[in-house]
Amino acid sequence: DAKTTQPPSMDCAEGRAANLPCNHSTISGNEYVYWYRQIHSQGPQYIIHGLKNNETNEMASLIITEDRKSSTLILPHATLRDTAVYYCIVRPYMNNNAGNMLTFGGGTRLMVKP
Amino acid sequence: DTAVSQTPKYLVTQMGNDKSIKCEQNLGHDTMYWYKQDSKKFLKIMFSYNNKELIINETVPNRFSPKSPDKAHLNLHINSLELGDSAVYFCASSQGPGNYGYTFGSGTRLTVV
Repeated sequence: DAKTTQPPSMDCAEGRAANLPCNHSTISGNEYVYWYRQIHSQGPQYIIHGLKNNETNEMASLIITEDRKSSTLILPHATLRDTAVYYCIVRPYMNNNAGNMLTFGGGTRLMVKP
Repeated sequence: DTAVSQTPKYLVTQMGNDKSIKCEQNLGHDTMYWYKQDSKKFLKIMFSYNNKELIINETVPNRFSPKSPDKAHLNLHINSLELGDSAVYFCASSQGPGNYGYTFGSGTRLTVV
């Protein structure tokens, strides 16, 4: 019952932009798109989230299509330390809702190569 | 000054034993979680506590019992360990049970032999 679809793996050259796609064609109006990543042997790490506008922070940019059915996480200048599994997660905006937990799918394994 | 810390980092034990994993967060968060990551690398929610009260209990054998002595701690006790319990267990916390980002610990790798 996956809400998101991501390619299982991608490669990127060091110093180039890494563009990680995510399809979420059944996203609802109140659902946010979250991105986390998990570097080998570490816990998942929050990257960014958005509703419908594009978002940017010190780690990445999130581009959400106008129909909100897909998004792209952009790492502008990938480094070897960005090698990780990247998870795209959709999650409803419901404060203090016990059922609003973070549910992970398979993610995309990004390999940044020198 | 680790935000979410788990101990031990590695745990090797025999089948049938009882073991505990401890988790502490110093972020002042109200909600804490336990996730299990199996050999196929899928992360699955096990439990969630909000202000020391259980709010989520996914389909987990009752050999697993979480305990939250205060909102900064969520420990996981496992009775009668089985081979299939071998996994990496992650603790996480968030400001509340709603639309907040999670901070994860670095994980406890449990190996049952």
